[in-house]
Amino acid sequence: AQSVAQPEDQVNVAEGNPLTVKCTYSVSGNPYLFWYVQYPNRGLQFLLKYITGDNLVKGSYGFEAEFNKSQTSFHLKKPSALVSDSALYFCAVRGLDTGGFKTIFGAGTRLFVKA
Amino acid sequence: SQTIHQWPATLVQPVGSPLSLECTVEGTSNPNLYWYRQAAGRGLQLLFYSVGIGQISSEVPQNLSASRPQDRQFILSSKKLLLSDSGFYLCAWSTRASGFTGELFFGEGSRLTVL
Repeated sequence: AQSVAQPEDQVNVAEGNPLTVKCTYSVSGNPYLFWYVQYPNRGLQFLLKYITGDNLVKGSYGFEAEFNKSQTSFHLKKPSALVSDSALYFCAVRGLDTGGFKTIFGAGTRLFVKA
Repeated sequence: SQTIHQWPATLVQPVGSPLSLECTVEGTSNPNLYWYRQAAGRGLQLLFYSVGIGQISSEVPQNLSASRPQDRQFILSSKKLLLSDSGFYLCAWSTRASGFTGELFFGEGSRLTVL
């Protein structure tokens, strides 16, 4: 069965410093990987996705993610964090386990960016 | 452009009362539709998904049911609410044409408190 792990409940970083939010996955066949962000009491917003091709994926708001097949990881990164990046971040995966219709989410990582 | 509407935004209900949460999508046809529940501001649990009118797949045996009476309408219901039904309910859609690779677009959520 497909699954996603986000090993850190919380990540703290100072404004202007680089940030990394970790994600590992397990899926049958080729993985389709996604990152979403959620602000308090709001729905999730799509940030970026990896489908195929270049292992470095660029997305919204200056975020990027690196797909590593050998380590089954898809870490979210940003070169310079902003206070406004503080939010809850979800890694998600789709696979062939269930016909590709289901997106399974990790538990989420709360990012705090300190001014 | 496509939009998703979800209501009510907030709901406080007594134990044993019925529930109806509604979600509609505009600007697209034949979407895949999803209901997720988010407990305690963290991970998302997939409850139901639908790939067409009247086609509902249930992920977790529970006190809830879903229906899709029209192509772009998805309803989450319960006949008798339990305390454990409290949470933040999120409706989402993806394009049918995108297949496995499409990201989800979320509504703003409905916060349900069962007392």
